[in-house]
Amino acid sequence: EAGVTQFPSHSVIEKGQTVTLRCDPISGHDNLYWYRRVMGKEIKFLLHFVKESKQDESGMPNNRFLAERTGGTYSTLKVQPAELEDSGVYFCASSQDWSGGNGELFFGEGSRLTVL
Amino acid sequence: GENVEQHPSTLSVQEGDSAVIKCTYSDSASNYFPWYKQELGKGPQLIIDIRSNVGEKKDQRIAVTLNKTAKHFSLHITETQPEDSAVYFCAAKGSSNYQLIWGAGTKLIIKP
Repeated sequence: EAGVTQFPSHSVIEKGQTVTLRCDPISGHDNLYWYRRVMGKEIKFLLHFVKESKQDESGMPNNRFLAERTGGTYSTLKVQPAELEDSGVYFCASSQDWSGGNGELFFGEGSRLTVL
Repeated sequence: GENVEQHPSTLSVQEGDSAVIKCTYSDSASNYFPWYKQELGKGPQLIIDIRSNVGEKKDQRIAVTLNKTAKHFSLHITETQPEDSAVYFCAAKGSSNYQLIWGAGTKLIIKP
């Protein structure tokens, strides 16, 4: 069974440009999450999809970030326009059940974003 | 706001010795505490978790202890091996939106 896959693994862009990150969850997992880790700091929750619906987007930092999950399969996270502070590793995770937050999360390898 | 503090940020131990990583959480209503291990080039992977109705849980060489009164929980790894080298993250489930609140990670280095 394929795990969670993320693309690209690393992206280097200039301030003001746009980047789109993609996540393919494990097949059959209705729950999809986006997280971000800034260098050396904690992993921070961004948002949670259940199928194609945004269950919780309380962690999205501002309106420069847009996440979509059309059809309830893969998801994209777009940053437009990118700022220096957006640099970090963006993790996607999926889970089969929500379980009130008690379920195991399966993570992708992350997409490292560097904004110059 | 809700937060989780994790210490130390880096831990270096001799192969065969024990390693302990500690976390403190702020939300007294948290009731689920997982630990994830991130190996180089990979995403975090769940290694053990504990719920608030249990004080300790073991799985072979790893164990987690929880002190609800002090709002502390710790990961214990015994008889460390080279493959234990990784970054370890603790997390606590927040009561406001039931999402995980994460610590900053501990880089564990096992010296041969």
